Amino acid sequence: QKEVEQDPGPLSVPEGAIVSLNCTYSNSAFQYFMWYRQYSRKGPELLMYTYSSGNKEDGRFTAQVDKSSKYISLFIRDSQPSDSATYLCAMMSNYGQNFVFGPGTRLSVLP
Amino acid sequence: GAVVSQHPSWVICKSGTSVKIECRSLDFQATTMFWYRQFPKQSLMLMATSNEGSKATYEQGVEKDKFLINHASLTLSTLTVTSAHPEDSSFYICSAVDRPSYGYTFGSGTRLTVV
Repeated sequence: QKEVEQDPGPLSVPEGAIVSLNCTYSNSAFQYFMWYRQYSRKGPELLMYTYSSGNKEDGRFTAQVDKSSKYISLFIRDSQPSDSATYLCAMMSNYGQNFVFGPGTRLSVLP
Repeated sequence: GAVVSQHPSWVICKSGTSVKIECRSLDFQATTMFWYRQFPKQSLMLMATSNEGSKATYEQGVEKDKFLINHASLTLSTLTVTSAHPEDSSFYICSAVDRPSYGYTFGSGTRLTVV
């Protein structure tokens, strides 16, 4: 079993749709959870960062962490064509330790 | 927020030559930086952890003699691809962590093409 699993997609949605991206993990030591967005030929860009379980909202983006289920989600409301990118979940146990990426989900938002 | 600068953004080199990629933390000091490699449509793969003032730690399967890492200061790490071959063509990305609340900050990446 991989340490972090993520649906690779590709996922195509119409503009304005709500997008749900998910990751599951196996290591219960993970405490910090992140979502990155990567455009083609660019480095990953940090979107959301959460510590432990709970929800965090930033504009159209909402991150959810359920440590009991070892499951994290990123929701994108009112999706835009500019949201088309690869989304990577990432997590780490302690400060700067055991940082692991998910394989990424390719999202296309169609106008 | 933390900023990591990576240079060059793209490079084309002849087979057999060496290429150096720089990674700088612009507004923070990074005792540790990380180097990743990404093939098309694949996720990032950690190559090595660069530690200031000491030898880098390489992931299994990564040739340390081919991918030379130097972390000479708290703001600069370099990756040198020695005797590059076409199979080394890839997207190389560095990252560093300023503080936990920032997560990991990534450079913009370097696209290496070996011809």
